[in-house]
Amino acid sequence: GESVGLHLPTLSVQEGDNSIINCAYSNSASDYFIWYKQESGKGPQFIIDIRSNMDKRQGQRVTVLLNKTVKHLSLQIAATQPGDSAVYFCAEKSGGGADGLTFGKGTHLIIQP
Amino acid sequence: DAGITQSPRHKVTETGTPVTLRCHQTENHRYMYWYRQDPGHGLRLIHYSYGVKDTDKGEVSDGYSVSRSKTEDFLLTLESATSSQTSVYFCAIRLGGAGTEAFFGQGTRLTVV
Repeated sequence: GESVGLHLPTLSVQEGDNSIINCAYSNSASDYFIWYKQESGKGPQFIIDIRSNMDKRQGQRVTVLLNKTVKHLSLQIAATQPGDSAVYFCAEKSGGGADGLTFGKGTHLIIQP
Repeated sequence: DAGITQSPRHKVTETGTPVTLRCHQTENHRYMYWYRQDPGHGLRLIHYSYGVKDTDKGEVSDGYSVSRSKTEDFLLTLESATSSQTSVYFCAIRLGGAGTEAFFGQGTRLTVV
């Protein structure tokens, strides 16, 4: 079946810089997208979501951008902090049914001091 | 953690033995999910439930069965564990409605030897 993937498995950034994590999705029917953060030994934690009728959504220090034309999703983290070190997953869903999310393989964000 | 408790948190079992993992929620959510997480594959959906006694298969359901006899508990059973089922298993709940995010438990690390 179609799946969501990520361009880079590891991203290393300097503390205080902005981070950009990318995600490509292939299911053109997807209409809901989520970014999750997963710290070692823990379950995925919701960061921010976006629906397909939007192209940008902002949260606290995070912004998600959606480009439906090229089926691309990105997560921007402003002023990256040591606590941002984690694996980040994008996930997508199509329709309002009960079925679950389709996840990408994850990007490991490493913060350099 | 949205009131999700997984048990056990860690388990080692032998090939061919049955194993049951439990997911318990305290907030009466309708939708519950079981995912497995493996290196290089991200999270993949095993089974899900949309109500008491209402369940359906996900992407990787072979070798697994589920039961939901009451709203708060969703059980995942490996009828005869195999080494390929060594993984970290996550339970998730969804608050309901189209385009709503899933909240995850802390995970169960299962090793089949």
